[in-house]
Amino acid sequence: DAGVIQSPRHEVTEMGQEVTLRCKPISGHNSLFWYRQTMMRGLELLIYFNNNVPIDDSGMPEDRFSAKMPNASFSTLKIQPSEPRDSAVYFCASSPGQGGSPLHFGNGTRLTVT
Amino acid sequence: GNSVTQMEGPVTLSEEAFLTINCTYTATGYPSLFWYVQYPGEGLQLLLKATKADDKGSNKGFEATYRKETTSFHLEKGSVQVSDSAVYFCALSGGTDKLIFGTGTRLQVFP
Repeated sequence: DAGVIQSPRHEVTEMGQEVTLRCKPISGHNSLFWYRQTMMRGLELLIYFNNNVPIDDSGMPEDRFSAKMPNASFSTLKIQPSEPRDSAVYFCASSPGQGGSPLHFGNGTRLTVT
Repeated sequence: GNSVTQMEGPVTLSEEAFLTINCTYTATGYPSLFWYVQYPGEGLQLLLKATKADDKGSNKGFEATYRKETTSFHLEKGSVQVSDSAVYFCALSGGTDKLIFGTGTRLQVFP
């Protein structure tokens, strides 16, 4: 089991550029989550999918953020245009999709927007 | 709504000291409770969990007991090691897939 795989590990970009973060969940997991972690706000849930369908996107900060899950083995989080305040570590997590199941996290993407 | 409150850090201890990190929760119904650990540069890892009142979760010498009467799930370890230095997160699940996390508590253990 390779675990949740995120890419890239680090991303440095200039303000205004488009950023795409990628995630491959654990095979067989039905739920996928995107979190953002900063010193100021801690760990924030941005969006989660169940069976590839977005269930709760209330944490997506604004229209510059979008997430897709075209199939069970891949998801993207896109920021367009990026801003310096988007700098954070973005985590993807997956779970079997049964209420109360633990989440399995990837190692995160550290995004720096200059 | 559901929420988790955990003690602010950092918690600084000497090796072999006793550890307690407090966690209390607010939830409707009967949530599942979790402790996660995050080592530097890594994602969160499940440390232990409990799914019903009076359950005790344990792993790697850490323990936490689900106390419904006090709505608490405090993390304890009898003798910490330098390698336990990390950030610890308390979390709850209200029966859906979504986890509500606390703000995290940084533990620093010195030799």
